[in-house]
Amino acid sequence: AQSVTQLGSHVSVSEGALVLLRCNYSSSVPPYLFWYVQYPNQGLQLLLKYTSAATLVKGINGFEAEFKKSETSFHLTKPSAHMSDAAEYFCAVSRPGGYQKVTFGTGTKLQVIP
Amino acid sequence: NAGVTQTPKFQVLKTGQSMTLQCAQDMNHNSMYWYRQDPGMGLRLIYYSASEGTTDKGEVPNGYNVSRLNKREFSLRLESAAPSQTSVYFCASSDPGTQYFGPGTRLTVL
Repeated sequence: AQSVTQLGSHVSVSEGALVLLRCNYSSSVPPYLFWYVQYPNQGLQLLLKYTSAATLVKGINGFEAEFKKSETSFHLTKPSAHMSDAAEYFCAVSRPGGYQKVTFGTGTKLQVIP
Repeated sequence: NAGVTQTPKFQVLKTGQSMTLQCAQDMNHNSMYWYRQDPGMGLRLIYYSASEGTTDKGEVPNGYNVSRLNKREFSLRLESAAPSQTSVYFCASSDPGTQYFGPGTRLTVL
């Protein structure tokens, strides 16, 4: 079985401040982990993914995430928030290899305050 | 490449009506999926097709049917719509490890 828990359904940060969105996972095998972003009235877009190579993963728009096995975490960070980062962010987990079911978290809405 | 396309973008149905949501991908992916998104519940898998010719139930299949028409197309059918099926529906396709999403269909059932 696999699952993800996103801590905080809503997060507010000031423009220019650090963005930290938390994700903890549960998986019986070494997982693949993903962060997706969803802008209003759009589909989900892949931000970054971890597939068992480097534990620090860099994605688009200046985001990065670090896989920490000991903490079963995959938190998303960005050093300086921009107004355009306001969106909903989803963490997801799957097993490696071929077709595998992806399990999504319930999402975190990021508000950026000018 | 258009990626994953979905039609229609919006739909309003009355209880008991039927409709089919269409999805197509041009990335030559084997696997395709249908999700529904409801506030506070993330994405829930309705049905998936691991490869052409196969379909399987996901978490919430009741009230839905699917057809994998060919490698490109994967449709979702509501035979008798209910208000509980009011949601945003997303189709996705995947290469091993990464899913790519369509823009969604916003369905309201009155």
